[in-house]
Amino acid sequence: QVQLVQSGAEVKKPGASVRVSCKASGYTFTDYYTHWVRQAPGQGLEWMGWVNPNSGNTNFAQKFQGRVTMTTDTSISTAYMELSRLRSDDTAVYFCARVPGGLAYYFDYWGQGTLVTVSS
Amino acid sequence: QSALTQPPSASGSVGQSVTISCTGTSSDVGGYNHVSWYQQHPGKVPKFMIYEVTKRPSGVPDRFSGSKSGNTASLTVSGLQAEDEADYYCSSYAGSNNWVFGGGTKLTVL
Repeated sequence: QVQLVQSGAEVKKPGASVRVSCKASGYTFTDYYTHWVRQAPGQGLEWMGWVNPNSGNTNFAQKFQGRVTMTTDTSISTAYMELSRLRSDDTAVYFCARVPGGLAYYFDYWGQGTLVTVSS
Repeated sequence: QSALTQPPSASGSVGQSVTISCTGTSSDVGGYNHVSWYQQHPGKVPKFMIYEVTKRPSGVPDRFSGSKSGNTASLTVSGLQAEDEADYYCSSYAGSNNWVFGGGTKLTVL
């Protein structure tokens, strides 16, 4: 069965960086784009960007450009999201989600989420 | 990109129907038939409910249906059940390899 398993919770200080991993299983990793979505406490979902595991190509929401990096390691079917220069308002649960490659535009499976807390 | 606009809350009694709207622009909702909907119970992972405006993934009850008119998409839940109480989010492709979510609607089943 399809699973996206994310790394554990993180606590970071303002100005630091965080890297969250998302390990895929149950499907061909390179056939699906990996997207990242975050949810601040009590708030809605916010799309951050995607990475194409086949090519390494990425695209980010304008809000995160310059501060986010998304990569993959196809040898272990894992995607990574790194967010730098963390601020307190980056405190959120970060989800990875897959989108079928090609002409598909929906998130059909999601990781369990990783809580990132930014606090001095 | 600006978030899509959803009402903060909606409610209905068991057995009734409720419709949740999702308003965007001609650059997202109105420009593409790539609207999807997600259900999220408190503390849980979002669940994929509707895609391509009207299509249901396997396993999603046919009580859930989607539609679109102009820049506004809608999710209708018919025959409300207690377990439908959750937050619902719309999402749309927004062009140039970007996506956008709505702010979410809290559905209360009375």
